[in-house]
Amino acid sequence: DQQVKQNSPSLSVQEGRISILNCDYTNSMFDYFLWYKKYPAEGPTFLISISSIKDKNEDGRFTVFLNKSAKHLSLHIVPSQPGDSAVYFCAANHGGSARQLTFGSGTQLTVLP
Amino acid sequence: KAGVTQTPRYLIKTRGQQVTLSCSPISGHRSVSWYQQTPGQGLQFLFEYFSETQRNKGNFPGRFSGRQFSNSRSEMNVSTLELGDSALYLCASSPPSQVNEQFFGPGTRLTVL
Repeated sequence: DQQVKQNSPSLSVQEGRISILNCDYTNSMFDYFLWYKKYPAEGPTFLISISSIKDKNEDGRFTVFLNKSAKHLSLHIVPSQPGDSAVYFCAANHGGSARQLTFGSGTQLTVLP
Repeated sequence: KAGVTQTPRYLIKTRGQQVTLSCSPISGHRSVSWYQQTPGQGLQFLFEYFSETQRNKGNFPGRFSGRQFSNSRSEMNVSTLELGDSALYLCASSPPSQVNEQFFGPGTRLTVL
C-alpha cells in the first residue's frame, strides 16, 4: 500500500513561473513531512520540511503547505529556475523525526528556459 | 564537514552471490539509515542503526542485513542475490539531536546479472 503518493510523474514549467508539486498521504500517524530533490547519480538532497503543527513553512524560493484534513501537502517553487530541474520526492514520518522515511514515487520537474 | 560517503559506487554481481556495501556517516552523526531505490518500488526504507543497534527495520527479507560499528560506520549485506536486488542503495545519516532531516550519500548502484 502506497502511504505517500505523488500522482504526477512529471511536470513542465516555464522559467520564472511557479512550480507546484503535490503529495497525498494516507497514514494519519504521519506528523513530519519533507521534500527532497534528486539529480541522477546523486543521493537525495533535503529541501524543506514541515511539522504537522504548522500549515506552512517557507525557505527562500521554496514553500511547503500542509492541509492535514485533506492529508495533502504541496511544494511551491517561485520563481522556477532551470537548475531546479530534478526529481522531487515527498517523504513522511511519525514521531517528529526524519528517520525511517516513507517516500512518494517522485515527480520529475523540468523548468524550460 | 565531509558528507556521507558510500563505497563502492558501482558493483556488478551474479545471482546467488552475496555483497557488502559500506557507508560512512557525517562526523558526529550516530544514526544511519539504508534505503533501496528501484524504478518499480521507488525509495524504500531498509533499516536504521543507532549506537550499533538496529532500531527500525523495513519490510525486506532476511537476506538483507546490516550492522553498525562503534565509529558509526555502517555496512549492509545482501546474501543470495536475486535479479530483483538490482537497485541504487542509499545510506543516510542523522544528527543525534532532534532530527529534522536526513543527509544522503550518493548511493551504491548494484547490478545483479
